[in-house]
Amino acid sequence: QKEVEQNSGPLSVPEGAIASLNCTYSDRGSQSFFWYRQYSGKSPELIMSIYSNGDKEDGRFTAQLNKASQYVSLLIRDSQPSDSATYLCAYRGSQGNLIFGKGTKLSVKP
Amino acid sequence: SQTIHQWPATLVQPVGSPLSLECTVEGTSNPNLYWYRQAAGRGLQLLFYSVGIGQISSEVPQNLSASRPQDRQFILSSKKLLLSDSGFYLCAWSATLNTGELFFGEGSRLTVL
Repeated sequence: QKEVEQNSGPLSVPEGAIASLNCTYSDRGSQSFFWYRQYSGKSPELIMSIYSNGDKEDGRFTAQLNKASQYVSLLIRDSQPSDSATYLCAYRGSQGNLIFGKGTKLSVKP
Repeated sequence: SQTIHQWPATLVQPVGSPLSLECTVEGTSNPNLYWYRQAAGRGLQLLFYSVGIGQISSEVPQNLSASRPQDRQFILSSKKLLLSDSGFYLCAWSATLNTGELFFGEGSRLTVL
């Protein structure tokens, strides 16, 4: 069973801190990885995609991929209360669909 | 720019009643289309995907079905709902099958009583 594992949280960080979200996956053939943000009651919104080993930065967000360790992470710098949401990690399966983790709930305290 | 819409946003249905959820994509042609379900406390589960008109692949055997009557229209149906069908149904599209991002509609929250 190909899976994505995430700590369900909740992860609580103070405003202005760095939030670190982690994800491991079991499919060594995976080439495409994604982070989605989902506010309560809303649909998932794409934040970052990463395809190569290393870091990819976009504003306050940095995605990190290590294919050898089957590990992908998302760092959120200068966390804001508006970042409070559930963050979903996903990778693209062999049929083109995305396989999602259950998500990590992040709470940023003012 | 591309947009995706699905409706209805919320519905409450009795057990045994039929279901029809509709999704349309604008601003792109020949999209790959997907139906996911998110049940309480569970991750997103792929139900169906389609690479073209009339082409439907099912990931999970169940009492749901999907159809794609037009290039940018995707419909999720059931003849008789079960309590276990309750959840948050999400339509999504991607430009290509094996690369690129997946974009979701607003979602349809179904409660079966």
